[in-house]
Amino acid sequence: AQSVSQHNHHVILSEAASLELGCNYSYGGTVNLFWYVQYPGQHLQLLLKYFSGDPLVKGIKGFEAEFIKSKFSFNLRKPSVQWSDTAEYFCAVKVPDTGRRALTFGSGTRLQVQP
Amino acid sequence: ETGVTQSPTHLIKTRGQQVTLRCSSQSGHNTVSWYQQALGQGPQFIFQYYREEENGRGNFPPRFSGLQFPNYSSELNVNALELDDSALYLCASSLGQGASYEQYFGPGTRLTVT
Repeated sequence: AQSVSQHNHHVILSEAASLELGCNYSYGGTVNLFWYVQYPGQHLQLLLKYFSGDPLVKGIKGFEAEFIKSKFSFNLRKPSVQWSDTAEYFCAVKVPDTGRRALTFGSGTRLQVQP
Repeated sequence: ETGVTQSPTHLIKTRGQQVTLRCSSQSGHNTVSWYQQALGQGPQFIFQYYREEENGRGNFPPRFSGLQFPNYSSELNVNALELDDSALYLCASSLGQGASYEQYFGPGTRLTVT
């Protein structure tokens, strides 16, 4: 079964710092990749997704992620974080060719941005 | 457009009891997935319903069961509650069951088992 690893459990940054959150998955075939964000007191929301094509994906709020197939990675980046980016970030994978319908999530990274 | 709604918001139950959680899917969505999110963890897939039939299941015992109704709303039932069932239960709806369909999440129901 596929799994998703997020190695950074808690990240603290100052405003304007650059962000990179790691995500690795363990499946050798075709995958669909996602980053979700959960702001304090709010629903899980989709930040961006990758299905195929350009491995550099741009999402909402200035976030982007790069799919590196050889490294089984899909790291999330933002050049300059804001206090409002304080949230929990989840990487998720879906394997379209196994018939499994669900998302497999990582354990999440809590990002705290200090003003 | 109404998003995914869940009820109740919070619930406290005693070990051994049964609980029913409810989810109303987003308008036009025929697929509902349920996830369990324990504290400090990512959501874990419980099962999915597509057009009133279970369409996939995660690694959860049979005491976790569900229903989907003709209007595509859904219920999650948990029997014989255990302390480890304490978690946030998330419902997500999508336009279809395929991998390319985005899942829209509700706010969750926080279940505490004492």
